[in-house]
Amino acid sequence: QVQLQESGPGLVKPSQTLSLTCTVSGGSISSGGYYWNWIRQHPGKGLEWIGNIYYSGGSYYNPSLKSRATISVDTSKNYFSLKLSSVTAADTAVYYCARVRRPGYFDYWGQGTLVTVSS
Amino acid sequence: EIVLTQSPGTLSLSPGEGATLSCRASQSVSSSYLAWYQQKPGQPPRLLIYGASSRATGIPDRFSGSGSGTDFTLTISRLEPEDFAVYYCHQYGSSPYTFGQGTKLEIK
Repeated sequence: QVQLQESGPGLVKPSQTLSLTCTVSGGSISSGGYYWNWIRQHPGKGLEWIGNIYYSGGSYYNPSLKSRATISVDTSKNYFSLKLSSVTAADTAVYYCARVRRPGYFDYWGQGTLVTVSS
Repeated sequence: EIVLTQSPGTLSLSPGEGATLSCRASQSVSSSYLAWYQQKPGQPPRLLIYGASSRATGIPDRFSGSGSGTDFTLTISRLEPEDFAVYYCHQYGSSPYTFGQGTKLEIK
């Protein structure tokens, strides 16, 4: 059973960079056929896809983030990470990591972590 | 990007009744790459349906999906107490992936 777990600071100051890690257990990130994703949910709102990465390093992003997001992967430690630069209060959200089973639906999710942007 | 519009916003029903949730896309969803998720408070979304009509592993057969092109439906027959939650549709036919705004299914 694949499990994903987000970790990182729960509070980030405006204009700084948000950094989160998703540790994958019960399966290898290097197994083909899956993309590893970040999705966020603003408080009381719907879901927004941030981007994803393949184990070989190819990544894709939602243009709405205006190039502020960077996703990386460490196959040796079986985790992937998100960096979101120049954050504002509008980036306050629950951030989820999730696995996409090709062609593209999310079959496993982490529990989510709330990140608040505030001084 | 493809915009997904779900209706109704809120659906009030009683256990034992049937529910019909709609998801309309702003343009055709290729290959019926449309999924449905259920989300309860404090939990991540749970995959119910993928490929418009295929049930995910462990999902009861009272959940069914249908549709193609721009119009998709999630049907829940004989509502159980645990089915009251928020439901999201999601298209993965074109980038960026997008989600509907959700339908809240509440107990009447």
